[in-house]
Amino acid sequence: EAQVTQNPRYLITVTGKKLTVTCSQNMNHEYMSWYRQDPGLGLRQIYYSMNVEVTDKGDVPEGYKVSRKEKRNFPLILESPSPNQTSLYFCASSGGASGYGYTFGSGTRLTVV
Amino acid sequence: AQKVTQAQTEISVVEKEDVTLDCVYETRDTTYYLFWYKQPPSGELVFLIRRNSFDEQNEISGRYSWNFQKSTSSFNFTITASQVVDSAVYFCALCPPMDTGRRALTFGSGTRLQVQP
Repeated sequence: EAQVTQNPRYLITVTGKKLTVTCSQNMNHEYMSWYRQDPGLGLRQIYYSMNVEVTDKGDVPEGYKVSRKEKRNFPLILESPSPNQTSLYFCASSGGASGYGYTFGSGTRLTVV
Repeated sequence: AQKVTQAQTEISVVEKEDVTLDCVYETRDTTYYLFWYKQPPSGELVFLIRRNSFDEQNEISGRYSWNFQKSTSSFNFTITASQVVDSAVYFCALCPPMDTGRRALTFGSGTRLQVQP
């Protein structure tokens, strides 16, 4: 089944403790992206990657890092999480074979206390 | 800059009523894509439709229909004979041409639909 898999689904952590949210897709898509969702703001793009070793900032990149060492994986790294990064995070992938449709992961609900 | 406006924050209807969710967008691109997503209480994003800017045909899928009007920059979504299972937050989104680099979806702030039994 074509899908984007994010882990974990839920995470509670403390301020300053580094964490990684993993994202993996099995559709051989070149393009992957991270979004965060906050009440009243919809979803906003954090980072995106057009292919392996090619990443760039989205609208709200501060406090986040990403890497794209393999085509299927695009982890989101919070080096020093802060309470304002409490949010619902989505990973998405997109590729030409799917008509450039977007496939989203199930989301990761992160709480930073 | 791109912008998507969903002016209806929350809508409450009774089952079997028809309901229309509004979406107005702004873009300078002549080619673009519009999307609707459903987010049920479980939190995942469910893809509903993608529409190219050069295809203004309305679309119907079961109880769902979409009215795309380029002249008014609107892409409205109608649910006919609503059901309790339609209760969710619905997002409209806009994307620049797919051959550009960033390919970011610009989302509206969402409309929460409550369908009462």
